[in-house]
Amino acid sequence: DIQMTQSPSTLSASVGDRVTITCRASQNIAMWLAWYQQKPGKAPKLLIYKASILESGVPSRFSGSGSGTEFTLAISSLQPDDFATYYCQQYNAYWTFGQGTKVEIK
Amino acid sequence: EVQLVESGGGLVQPGESLRLSCAASGFTFNIYNMNWVRQAPGKGLEWVSYISDNSRTKYYADSVKGRFTVSRDNAKNSLYLQLNSLRDEDTAVYFCARVVETTHYIDSWGQGTLVTVSS
Repeated sequence: DIQMTQSPSTLSASVGDRVTITCRASQNIAMWLAWYQQKPGKAPKLLIYKASILESGVPSRFSGSGSGTEFTLAISSLQPDDFATYYCQQYNAYWTFGQGTKVEIK
Repeated sequence: EVQLVESGGGLVQPGESLRLSCAASGFTFNIYNMNWVRQAPGKGLEWVSYISDNSRTKYYADSVKGRFTVSRDNAKNSLYLQLNSLRDEDTAVYFCARVVETTHYIDSWGQGTLVTVSS
């Protein structure tokens, strides 16, 4: 099974900050990685797929990079609506999620 | 607009069964593969099951294999998950999710239905 490890688990930041979240796969998943945002009591929302492709309607301050086993989600200038939990997910072999990164207000 | 609406959750005792449903609309259901994903209270997301568009291929997470069964009725635009021999650790919100053809990432989610297993 492919394991996904995100870091950090919690990130404290201020509006306007640039933040990055890292996701590591236990084996090579090429670019078969997605990022989701989830707010309390809501369903996850797709942000990025194939490691770096921005889903339609997602603000351009979100970006993804990486391939193989190392991936990054970046938010260039954190906005109030961005405080949420973020999950990476591999879909190279079945589907596995990272444990999540909670972005909270500093 | 893609809509996925789950139903059927509730409170059950360990060992009991439950059937979840997911009603799909706003897209051509019969050409999409579908997933079930769950989230225990305060925890992360866990993939549960997959079914192909024509029901020929089904996959299950090891944690539910042999106890859960996924099915679909394309004529009714509906997805199902039969949960048998439920355990405390199956307590979670269960989401149905649409899988994008050929690339297999999830692009749309329902709002979820809560299953609570407790004596």
